[in-house]
Order: sequence, then C-alpha cells, then structure tokens
Amino acid sequence: GAGVSQSPRYKVAKRGQDVALRCDPISGHVSLFWYQQALGQGPEFLTYFQNEAQLDKSGLPSDRFFAERPEGSVSTLKIQRTQQEDSAVYLCASIQRPGGTDTQYFGPGTRLTVL
Amino acid sequence: AQSVTQLDSQVPVFEEAPVELRCNYSSSVSVYLFWYVQYPNQGLQLLLKYLSGSTLVESINGFEAEFNKSQTSFHLRKPSVHISDTAEYFCAVRGPGGSYIPTFGRGTSLIVHP
Repeated sequence: GAGVSQSPRYKVAKRGQDVALRCDPISGHVSLFWYQQALGQGPEFLTYFQNEAQLDKSGLPSDRFFAERPEGSVSTLKIQRTQQEDSAVYLCASIQRPGGTDTQYFGPGTRLTVL
Repeated sequence: AQSVTQLDSQVPVFEEAPVELRCNYSSSVSVYLFWYVQYPNQGLQLLLKYLSGSTLVESINGFEAEFNKSQTSFHLRKPSVHISDTAEYFCAVRGPGGSYIPTFGRGTSLIVHP
C-alpha cells in the first residue's frame, strides 16, 4: 500500500472490554512503533519492533497492554480490561531501516473511547 | 533523558502574516530534531528535520527551522502563511545511533484566519 494503515479508525468500548488495534506498515519496513496520543498532548512512545522482535516495550503503561508482530509485518496492539484512562488516539509508525536517520511514516491512528 | 517544550499551545495568525512556532529541547547528548504536522483526522507527517550540517533546514512548502545549539532551540518559521497551514505542529527530538525513540512536544495549534 501507499502508506501506513490502521484499523479500526474509531473504536468505542465499554469499560472492562478487551480491544485489538491493527497496524499495517508500509511493505518492507523493518521497524514499527506504537504511540499513545492523549487529547491535547503529543504522541507518547509505547513499544518498538524490529521485524518480529519486540525490542522495547518500556512505554506500555500496564500489563493490560500487549503488542505483537508475529510475521514481521502487521502488528496488533491489544488492551485488556479497558479503563477510561485508556481513551486516546493510538498511532502506529514504520521506518524502512532500523536506526539511522530514516523518516518515520505515521498511520492515521485509531481513536479509542472507553465509556 | 530528553525533553521537548513547545511553549505555545495555540498560535492564531492572519493569512499572509509571518509566524514562528517555538521549540526548546533538553538533552545531554547530540540530537536529531524534527517538526511534524498533523492535519485534522490524519496521521503525523514529517515537515522537516535537522540531522547534521547546515543549521537551517527548509521544507518544500515554505517552512524553515534553525537549529541553535547554544539556545537549545529549533523554532519553526514561515514568512507568509496560508489558510491551508492550519494544523497541529509537533516538535520532536531523539538521540543519534541506536536511540530510535523520539520524544515529542505537546504540540502547537496554528490557526490561520482569513
């Protein structure tokens, strides 16, 4: 595809429900990032993959958050037992090569609202 | 650790007027600096970046930013804005080498009035 895509674009969940957010990076991009963007804030790093390996998950706010990229392409961010404070836009970004100075390409995000 | 401060949460300006969006950073190591733009309901797009070399960097749509190491700033400027420049602008910093993770500022909303 031409860019990074994310689905769904909007998700409304009742508190306590589990949700799964999908990211399709640009084909061939090795590195993939997940960010959380709260209202009125900049993106905050959640986790980073290089191919299928999750190299950094230091930004995940709790053990309710889990991310995977089993085949090194599509990634899924799962949030279990959602809470109201999980309401945010979740952004995915990919880079062609790890490290270096390559540009991060962002998807449009998934807006999660937890009621 | 790195941090980014965008002092202005909102900058209103009239069309064709000049604008400056301020960004200051703190870091104990040399850094790469970025400006991203986010239009409504869209993802972030890279506007310009400073990696090394000339401290003045330009984008294709008339924006420019100057890296000032002594003042730890990377302010974004445009001499004449258009209505279409209305968007959220984010400054970001990251370290070189293996430090892949950028730190973003909280953003500045540029509102261009006709």
